[in-house]
Amino acid sequence: AQSVTQLGSHVSVSEGALVLLRCNYSSSVPPYLFWYVQYPNQGLQLLLKYTSAATLVKGINGFEAEFKKSETSFHLTKPSAHMSDAAEYFCAVSTNSWGKLQFGAGTQVVVTP
Amino acid sequence: NAGVMQNPRHLVRRRGQEARLRCSPMKGHSHVYWYRQLPEEGLKFMVYLQKENIIDESGMPKERFSAEFPKEGPSILRIQQVVRGDSAAYFCASSLTWTSGRRYEQYFGPGTRLTVT
Repeated sequence: AQSVTQLGSHVSVSEGALVLLRCNYSSSVPPYLFWYVQYPNQGLQLLLKYTSAATLVKGINGFEAEFKKSETSFHLTKPSAHMSDAAEYFCAVSTNSWGKLQFGAGTQVVVTP
Repeated sequence: NAGVMQNPRHLVRRRGQEARLRCSPMKGHSHVYWYRQLPEEGLKFMVYLQKENIIDESGMPKERFSAEFPKEGPSILRIQQVVRGDSAAYFCASSLTWTSGRRYEQYFGPGTRLTVT
């Protein structure tokens, strides 16, 4: 069985400050891990993915995430927050052969001036 | 290259009516997934389809819900005799075929927001 836990349902960050969103997973097999972003009333957009290649993954919009097997974590970071980063972020895991995604509960990011 | 298309974007149904949600995958994508986002809940997998085949429907409610992905045309998620608890955002995603190195990337449509009155 697999699961995803996102720590913090709401995160507030100042413009220009570091964005850190936490994601921990549990899986009995090597996972594929994803971060998606959802803007209000829109679908999900893939930010980045880990599929057993490099453990540090760079995505779009300046985001990156590091896969740490020993900590079963896949935290998302961005060095400097922009107002446009305000959205909901979802971590997801897939372990089966055809890519069924299991999502975390989501973290709402608010960026303050 | 157009993205995943879903229609309608908003759908209002009265209790007991039927709801039909349509999804056209990205060009070249032959795998379709449906997810549901209930208020105050996260996204939950419902069903995975390939052309003319349901591969995994483990997330579908046992009654009133069905899905198809015909050889021609969009994928359809059908909800019969809707109840208020069906009110949610329904998202479709598509991905490339198995032989692609990007087969694990799912691309999401904008969703259909179903309101049952």
